[in-house]
Amino acid sequence: GAVVSQHPSRVICKSGTSVKIECRSLDFQATTMFWYRQFPKQSLMLMATSNEGSKATYEQGVEKDKFLINHASLTLSTLTVTSAHPEDSSFYICSAKSQGHSYEQYFGPGTRLTVT
Amino acid sequence: AQTVTQSQPEMSVQEAETVTLSCTYDTSENNYYLFWYKQPPSRQMILVIRQEAYKQQNATENRFSVNFQKAAKSFSLKISDSQLGDTAMYFCAFIKLKTSYDKVIFGPGTSLSVIP
Repeated sequence: GAVVSQHPSRVICKSGTSVKIECRSLDFQATTMFWYRQFPKQSLMLMATSNEGSKATYEQGVEKDKFLINHASLTLSTLTVTSAHPEDSSFYICSAKSQGHSYEQYFGPGTRLTVT
Repeated sequence: AQTVTQSQPEMSVQEAETVTLSCTYDTSENNYYLFWYKQPPSRQMILVIRQEAYKQQNATENRFSVNFQKAAKSFSLKISDSQLGDTAMYFCAFIKLKTSYDKVIFGPGTSLSVIP
């Protein structure tokens, strides 16, 4: 099956700093990647849709200048949380779609971000 | 807009028993997929089962089966012979099939505990 990795799995950063999370499709080309945020005991909240070679599409209420998304290649998308604050602490999950399957999404294992 | 509802925030079942998780959805689309995802304590999202809307036959995967009622917009998950490893959050999800950029709509989730 298709595998998606995320790095790091957990990160602690200080308030005001920026942190980058990587999402990689290991054995397929991902034309579209999605970034989600999940609070404890809640569902996944879509933050943005990332298409290779173009600007990400952000969901309403998500600050695009704070959550920078880059999808520079067919196997890598990055989410950078800029000027992080404690309220940005959360679990971030990416998923990837391959070109040949319009519905199937493969999820990464997630990244736990803690901002102190 | 599509919505997915799961009316049972928490459920429990005795090991080896059968449990049914409910899901309803709202859409005006005719072509779509429905999914059940499992998120164990590791928080890795795992696809349990999927159903194509144009198929009348209910999908089954080993101990997991669905009851898909298209007219009623209902998509329940039955877990037979429950095992301790089934303890997890379960999310019902929907995706319409119009473009490759279509996003998955998740329900709020049901936390299932399997009791030994």
